[in-house]
Amino acid sequence: QKEVEQNSGPLSVPEGAIASLNCTYSDRGSQSFFWYRQYSGKSPELIMSIYSNGDKEDGRFTAQLNKASQYVSLLIRDSQPSDSATYLCAVKGNNRLAFGKGNQVVVIP
Amino acid sequence: EPEVTQTPSHQVTQMGQEVILRCVPISNHLYFYWYRQILGQKVEFLVSFYNNEISEKSEIFDDQFSVERPDGSNFTLKIRSTKLEDSAMYFCASTSGETQYFGPGTRLLVL
Repeated sequence: QKEVEQNSGPLSVPEGAIASLNCTYSDRGSQSFFWYRQYSGKSPELIMSIYSNGDKEDGRFTAQLNKASQYVSLLIRDSQPSDSATYLCAVKGNNRLAFGKGNQVVVIP
Repeated sequence: EPEVTQTPSHQVTQMGQEVILRCVPISNHLYFYWYRQILGQKVEFLVSFYNNEISEKSEIFDDQFSVERPDGSNFTLKIRSTKLEDSAMYFCASTSGETQYFGPGTRLLVL
């Protein structure tokens, strides 16, 4: 059973601050990692994908991957109220995505 | 920008009834998926479909579920005899590579 863990509770950040989200996964053979954003009642929307160790930046978002530690993170810089959502970590294995339960982010104006 | 579309957006049915959820994947994509999300829980994989056959299915995808690509554009999920616990959001996704793109979902409520 491939597990993806997102253990931290709701995260409240002031507008303009950095939000930091973490995710660990159990399948050491996983090669593809994704962060999706999900607004309440909506479908997952891709934010970032990352495949190799290190950092990947896209606008205000930075994904970090450490395969040795089986750890993926997402940083949201200059957080905006529109970033308030649940962020889902997903790991691809055998052509399916395994999702974490998500981290809720609330950006306070 | 091409999108995955799903119909209906909402479906209410009585327990024991059959439902068919429909999806139109992005046109040049080759892999299709169904996921579900019970309210307050994580997104769960149901089934993947490639080259007109199931390529993988989860333990959730039992005999009451089936998938079909009846024509060149539609991809359907059928639940033969719905149960109360089938109430969930059902998402279709498609991909031509690594990234899966999700449709807006169908909210299914079984009474």
